[in-house]
Amino acid sequence: GAGVSQSPRYKVAKRGQDVALRCDPISGHVSLFWYQQALGQGPEFLTYFQNEAQLDKSGLPSDRFFAERPEGSVSTLKIQRTQQEDSAVYLCASSRNLMVELFFGEGSRLTVL
Amino acid sequence: KQEVTQIPAALSVPEGENLVLNCSFTDSAIYNLQWFRQDPGKGLTSLLLIQSSQREQTSGRLNASLDKSSGRSTLYIAASQPGDSATYLCAVSSNDYKLSFGAGTTVTVRA
Repeated sequence: GAGVSQSPRYKVAKRGQDVALRCDPISGHVSLFWYQQALGQGPEFLTYFQNEAQLDKSGLPSDRFFAERPEGSVSTLKIQRTQQEDSAVYLCASSRNLMVELFFGEGSRLTVL
Repeated sequence: KQEVTQIPAALSVPEGENLVLNCSFTDSAIYNLQWFRQDPGKGLTSLLLIQSSQREQTSGRLNASLDKSSGRSTLYIAASQPGDSATYLCAVSSNDYKLSFGAGTTVTVRA
């Protein structure tokens, strides 16, 4: 497709379960970002990749959160031992380069029971 | 840490009225400012990107201004339509990649 694709769109997990969220960026986009959006709030930065290199992971809330982009295209955000406070929409975005237009996916809504 | 505030949190106007959405930020050392639109259950769509050296950007009925020294941006939407109903988010970049977002202004345009 032409846009950023995220899967699953909806995920319900029991507290303590591990989850994996996938992002397919626009083909050729070098930069990839993950943001977390709580209900009624703006997105909060989690992590940033330039190709396969994770250049900034300062926004990851805890060591239970891990992101990778091994071949510089598809990225996975993994959350281990999910907690209720992890419930949010996880947004992936990509761009051709830095300081240019950012394209967002529709997000993966995670609900932890 | 960059703080971004959007006022008002919600706005309801009759069709045809002009919309004025405000964004303020605490650190004036920014690279750029972007306005996004978010429809319920959807991702964000970029509307306008203003580089730090620019004062405004225009796209169709949309015009965004930037005053770095006062830490403010305003998004104007002319002749609003029901299809403009959405949440509008302001985001500021204080380096060349990380965005700090406001909580958004939810707009309802009544037919």
